Amino acid sequence: QVHLVQSGSELKKPGASVKISCKAAGYIFTRYAMNWVRQAPGQGLEWMGRIDPVNGDIKYSPKLQARVTITRDTSASTAYMELNSLRSEDTALYFCARDVLGDSTVIFDSWGQGTLVTVSS
Amino acid sequence: EIVLTQFPDTLSLSPGERATLSCRASQSVSTYSLAWYQQKPGQAPRLLIYGASSRATGIPDRFSGSGSGTDFTLTISRLEPEDLAVYYCQQYGGSPPITFGQGTRLEIK
Repeated sequence: QVHLVQSGSELKKPGASVKISCKAAGYIFTRYAMNWVRQAPGQGLEWMGRIDPVNGDIKYSPKLQARVTITRDTSASTAYMELNSLRSEDTALYFCARDVLGDSTVIFDSWGQGTLVTVSS
Repeated sequence: EIVLTQFPDTLSLSPGERATLSCRASQSVSTYSLAWYQQKPGQAPRLLIYGASSRATGIPDRFSGSGSGTDFTLTISRLEPEDLAVYYCQQYGGSPPITFGQGTRLEIK
């Protein structure tokens, strides 16, 4: 059974950085890309970026490109998302979600449980 | 950027009724690249429909998708109380390559 298990909640001050992990289990990590999607309180879903775990190719949302870094450790079947220069507007639930590599589209067929990041002074 | 606009924002129906949720794109979207998700309170989203009309694994046949070009529809026949959720459409293409609609909240009376 597919599981994406994310790291725990974080409380950060404005200007700080946060790094969240997403450990995959139940499937071959290198057959799926990993995406990060966030959801501000009471709001909709916002795609942040995607990494191909095989070659490390990354695409970022233009809105966040200057502040977000997505990496992976294939030996640990884990993806990471780091967001810098945090602002109060970054307070959100952050999800990882996989999509199948080699497909000509991106569909999220499995999601992590979400990691709450709160940015407050 | 391809903007997806969902309507209505909120839908309130009774069990057994039929729900029709709409998603309109600012430019044409490949049917292959249109998906629908269900997000129940306190949970992560779940894939319902991909390729505009194909049900994901384990999704009951009460859920169906249709549409092409710029107009897509998610239909839920015979509503059940457990269908209480926010429903999102999502597309792949353009820049940024992935966008979501703002969501339709489905309330069950």
